[in-house]
Amino acid sequence: DIQMTQSPSSLSASVGDRVTITCRTSQSISNYLNWYQQKPGKAPKVLIYAASSLQSGVPSRFSGSGSETDFTLTISSLQPEDFATYYCQQSYSTPRTFGQGTKLEI
Amino acid sequence: QVQLQESGPGLVKPSQTLSLTCTVSGGSISSGSYYWSWIRQPAGKGLEWIGRIYTSGNTNYNPSLKSRVTISVDTSKNQFSLKLSSVTAADTAVYYCARDYYDTAYYFDCWGQGTLVTVSS
Repeated sequence: DIQMTQSPSSLSASVGDRVTITCRTSQSISNYLNWYQQKPGKAPKVLIYAASSLQSGVPSRFSGSGSETDFTLTISSLQPEDFATYYCQQSYSTPRTFGQGTKLEI
Repeated sequence: QVQLQESGPGLVKPSQTLSLTCTVSGGSISSGSYYWSWIRQPAGKGLEWIGRIYTSGNTNYNPSLKSRVTISVDTSKNQFSLKLSSVTAADTAVYYCARDYYDTAYYFDCWGQGTLVTVSS
């Protein structure tokens, strides 16, 4: 299985801040990396797929970059609705695996 | 707009079989190059992929659960289902169904709202 390591596990930030979350994989996965946002009691929602493609309807303040084993999710200017938990996920191989999550708090 | 909805018992006894169904609406489960997945999340923890099925019936399972999992599809009902046998308290989680969509990479683009399954006597 491909292991996913996100950092940090939690992050405190303020509205308007620029935030970066990192995901590292245990082996090279090219660009087969996705990012999800999950709010309490809700299903995850895809933000970024294929490392850097913005899902339709997702605000442009979200961006993704990286390849091989190192990836980042950046939120350029935090909005109140962005406080949530973020997960990376690889789609290079099965079993699909997720990072442990990054909880973004005010 | 495709929507997914999980259904099934919210309480299962230890050693029994957990059975859930995901109903797809707003589109045919057979159209497009999609896989259909099950994912679970214990309370306060991260996401675990259980497995997936293609409409041809081809399946992939997480090796950690493979001996206990069966995923099937009923195209006539636009549904796919999960069976997890010999459950224990460790299987207590919110279970999600999701569409595994392909656009330069596979990703879960549509999710059900999730259903909590508790394993307890």
